[in-house]
Amino acid sequence: LAKTTQPISMDSYEGQEVNITCSHNNIATNDYITWYQQFPSQGPRFIIQGYKTKVTNEVASLFIPADRKSSTLSLPRVSLSDTAVYYCLVGEYQTGANNLFFGTGTRLTVIP
Amino acid sequence: KAGVTQTPRYLIKTRGQQVTLSCSPISGHRSVSWYQQTPGQGLQFLFEYFSETQRNKGNFPGRFSGRQFSNSRSEMNVSTLELGDSALYLCASMLHGQGRSSGELFFGEGSRLTVL
Repeated sequence: LAKTTQPISMDSYEGQEVNITCSHNNIATNDYITWYQQFPSQGPRFIIQGYKTKVTNEVASLFIPADRKSSTLSLPRVSLSDTAVYYCLVGEYQTGANNLFFGTGTRLTVIP
Repeated sequence: KAGVTQTPRYLIKTRGQQVTLSCSPISGHRSVSWYQQTPGQGLQFLFEYFSETQRNKGNFPGRFSGRQFSNSRSEMNVSTLELGDSALYLCASMLHGQGRSSGELFFGEGSRLTVL
């Protein structure tokens, strides 16, 4: 069963690039890696998903090395509104949501 | 397109009571899953329903139960409430319930339960 480990918290100044790493040593062949963002009193919101190498969308990039035992979420030029908790989620969706394991989350604080 | 709707948003109960929470998924989504979020335990999976059938269940006691209706709306019930059941209960729906290994969970804003 895949489990994930993330740093508990990170601070960054506005305008900087932020990289949050997630460790998932027991990732299975069919598992995808997904990152979610959560603001206080709201449900998590999808950021990006990938299986291997690099994925980029309009808000973030996801880097996954060849062994897939870790992944890095990269947020370019963060702003104050990016202050939130970021969750790494590893699993496969085919057989149901219980194969999805949320990490402990990384609390990102963006400083003016 | 409306998002995932959860009701009620806030509620207060006392120990020993029971509670029912409701979740309306995004139109067309057939998979609905429930999560409990607490400061100490983080986000924990409760169960998942697809086409009115519970497909998977997390490691929670039998006091936690759920069901899904033919219109994909789902309810979860917690009986004999304990203080430790105080949490944010999140519901998520997904379009691809079967046949794909990737997908996106769409979460509601949650129901915050306080047990006194």
